[in-house]
Amino acid sequence: AQSVTQLDSQVPVFEEAPVELRCNYSSSVSVYLFWYVQYPNQGLQLLLKYLSGSTLVKGINGFEAEFNKSQTSFHLRKPSVHISDTAEYFCAVSGSKAAGNKLTFGGGTRVLVKP
Amino acid sequence: GAGVSQSPSNKVTEKGKDVELRCDPISGHTALYWYRQRLGQGLEFLIYFQGNSAPDKSGLPSDRFSAERTGESVSTLTIQRTQQEDSAVYLCASSQWEAAIGNTIYFGEGSWLTVV
Repeated sequence: AQSVTQLDSQVPVFEEAPVELRCNYSSSVSVYLFWYVQYPNQGLQLLLKYLSGSTLVKGINGFEAEFNKSQTSFHLRKPSVHISDTAEYFCAVSGSKAAGNKLTFGGGTRVLVKP
Repeated sequence: GAGVSQSPSNKVTEKGKDVELRCDPISGHTALYWYRQRLGQGLEFLIYFQGNSAPDKSGLPSDRFSAERTGESVSTLTIQRTQQEDSAVYLCASSQWEAAIGNTIYFGEGSWLTVV
């Protein structure tokens, strides 16, 4: 079984400040990790994903995430946020091809960027 | 089409009525998923289709929920005798099975269902 915990339900942040969104997972198999973003009134889109290799993954819009196997974490960071980064962010995990790449999502973190 | 298409985008229905939600996946995508997102909550897996294999129905919350998919094309999610707790956004997604493990899953914009 897989599960994902996003520790912060809401994160207010000022424009141009850094932000970190925390994600921890549990799984009995090797995992693939994802961050999706949902802008207001839009569908989910992929920000970045970790499959293997370098533990630091860079995504779109200046976001990056670091896979830490020992801490079972995949925290998302951006050094300087913009108003347009206001959105809900979802961490997700998939475990195996046999599971059909079914994604298990965390509860989401709502980021509100203030001017 | 270029992306995953869902219809209707919004649906208001009376408690006890049946509803059908439609999903048209990206052409060539063999895997199709339905998720539910209740207000202020995360995404809840409902059902998964992969080619001609038996669907994974492990996420369906009750026998009022069912889904069908014809081949590798359109899918319909049906909710019978709707209840107020069924109010949510129903998201459809698709992906390429033949892509590497961990392939990207593409989401539609969802069908907003309100049961009154």
